[in-house]
Amino acid sequence: AQTVTQSQPEMSVQEAETVTLSCTYDTSESDYYLFWYKQPPSRQMILVIRQEAYKQQNATENRFSVNFQKAAKSFSLKISDSQLGDAAMYFCAYRSAPGSGTYKYIFGTGTRLKVLA
Amino acid sequence: SQTIHQWPATLVQPVGSPLSLECTVEGTSNPNLYWYRQAAGRGLQLLFYSVGIGQISSEVPQNLSASRPQDRQFILSSKKLLLSDSGFYLCAWSRGRETQYFGPGTRLLVL
Repeated sequence: AQTVTQSQPEMSVQEAETVTLSCTYDTSESDYYLFWYKQPPSRQMILVIRQEAYKQQNATENRFSVNFQKAAKSFSLKISDSQLGDAAMYFCAYRSAPGSGTYKYIFGTGTRLKVLA
Repeated sequence: SQTIHQWPATLVQPVGSPLSLECTVEGTSNPNLYWYRQAAGRGLQLLFYSVGIGQISSEVPQNLSASRPQDRQFILSSKKLLLSDSGFYLCAWSRGRETQYFGPGTRLLVL
């Protein structure tokens, strides 16, 4: 079974600085999807970025980028120029590719990010 | 564009009372639907998911149940609430290769 591990329960970053959140996963599959979700105090889950395993190029969305290392099964999230609004819980998630027979998303336990003014 | 609704937003119920939380999706057809529960400051626990009308898969045996009476409607129910049922309930949908999108959630407090 697939697992997702977020080893940093809490991180802090100074406003305007860069921070990297770690995520590792375990799978025997070769095709899958990885996601980072943000959950602010409102508790609405918001998609930050997504990566298809078959793509070698790392995904980027404005100030958010990932470092996807398929062989190492690592999927870290880099937030550049951190803003106060980035303060939230961040969840890493894994989904098997369609056709695998499973429809479940596997979530990590989350990393709480604090942004210091 | 697709939208997902959940109601109620907040619910306070006594122990032993019934529960019905509703989730509806607009702007797509035949979505996969999910119910998650989240304790305060914790991760997401998958409760149920559905890949079609009347098709429900249960992940955690407990006093909750789910139903999908229509293509884009997913209902979470209980006949008798327990204190341990308190939490934040999230509904989500996905389709094919697409990302999973979440509703705004329901805060449930069982007293």
